[in-house]
Amino acid sequence: SSELTQDPAVSVALGQTVRITCQGDSLRDFYASWYQQKPGQAPVLVMYNKNSRPSGIPDRFSGSTSGDTASLTITAAQAGDEGDYYCGSRDSSGKNYVFGAGTKVTV
Amino acid sequence: QVRLVQSGAEVKKPGASVRVSCKASGDIFSSYYMNWVRQAPGQGLEWMGTINPSRYTTTYAQTFQGRLTMTRDTSTGTVDMELISLKSEDTGVYYCVFGMDVWGPGTTVTVSS
Repeated sequence: SSELTQDPAVSVALGQTVRITCQGDSLRDFYASWYQQKPGQAPVLVMYNKNSRPSGIPDRFSGSTSGDTASLTITAAQAGDEGDYYCGSRDSSGKNYVFGAGTKVTV
Repeated sequence: QVRLVQSGAEVKKPGASVRVSCKASGDIFSSYYMNWVRQAPGQGLEWMGTINPSRYTTTYAQTFQGRLTMTRDTSTGTVDMELISLKSEDTGVYYCVFGMDVWGPGTTVTVSS
């Protein structure tokens, strides 16, 4: 399968915790990466290799994987965390890359 | 730190072709992959394909097979993406992405008669 499924939207109160999920068969074999995109800007990598954060990404962001589902958790959510979050990974063949449809996070 | 610079916005007519360039600088190791991702207005991200500039190998998404070509110029360190037979549905922002980690600023391509 080459599909990654995400919830369309989620809201979280300021300072609370939100978890975004991404489900797909290929996630049993390949790690998901997570990208944050704010309006009018290019996406930014916020998580890779299940739970690794690029430099500059706060430790309020964490990742996990269980079976065919990857999760991105934002703790102590801030207004600046608002945006669209996309998961991405290899498809089951390993030759192509696929994205989920994105989750709009509102704080 | 890797930095990506992309060529400027393009306006094309249906049936024409477009070439978008991407130049990488900074901590580039000898073998890497440059990906291209498209985003239609108000839509999500769509992976188009990848090129390994040092090995000159390419993989294209099935959706773009036959219309997409990725090339590299080792003398300038530039990677190009050319899409032919443009349709209005090809309107969007085209990003080059180093690995799948560092994103370029994007190039807006508008296809309109």
